Amino acid sequence: EDQVTQSPEALRLQEGESSSLNCSYTVSGLRGLFWYRQDPGKGPEFLFTLYSAGEEKEKERLKATLTKKESFLHITAPKPEDSATYLCAVKFGATNKLIFGTGTLLAVQP
Amino acid sequence: DGGITQSPKYLFRKEGQNVTLSCEQNLNHDAMYWYRQDPGQGLRLIYYSQIVNDFQKGDIAEGYSVSREKKESFPLTVTSAQKNPTAFYLCASSNSGGANVLTFGAGSRLTVL
Repeated sequence: EDQVTQSPEALRLQEGESSSLNCSYTVSGLRGLFWYRQDPGKGPEFLFTLYSAGEEKEKERLKATLTKKESFLHITAPKPEDSATYLCAVKFGATNKLIFGTGTLLAVQP
Repeated sequence: DGGITQSPKYLFRKEGQNVTLSCEQNLNHDAMYWYRQDPGQGLRLIYYSQIVNDFQKGDIAEGYSVSREKKESFPLTVTSAQKNPTAFYLCASSNSGGANVLTFGAGSRLTVL
């Protein structure tokens, strides 16, 4: 079954405490993996697209990596403003179907 | 600024009533989408449209209807046939080619009383 799983469901960090969020997928014919950030009561905001294993993208304190089975979103020295839900989505197959994971709720405490 | 505008932000509905959620974009995107977001679940696709006057059902289209009479507009009607309509509804748009990165609106929260 085509599936996207994010872990952990929730993560609490102290300011400056680096960590990683995971997005694992079981799909055939990966076309792209997307990371979005969603603040409470708002729509998701695009962060990164990754297309092939070994690819990496960076933006400020965030770095996304991709393997054949999973993607990591590394957060280096997070700040309270990084608190949000981070969503992963995978596009795959001939029809370019898109599946979203359930997200990781990140809370960064000062 | 270019973007997607959803309205209303909050909507309350009595059982048996139809309601329409508005979605307007000024990004000149060809494709538009409606997603539903529930706690503990990933975003689920309701309907999408890749061109004016054409749209397709997504994974959970039952109890919903849409129209695409203009490129900029993609309203969603939640009908009385939708058994559990209380949710957060997100409209999105994208270019039809390339990466298809979605740009989302701020969402509409529908509560059925």
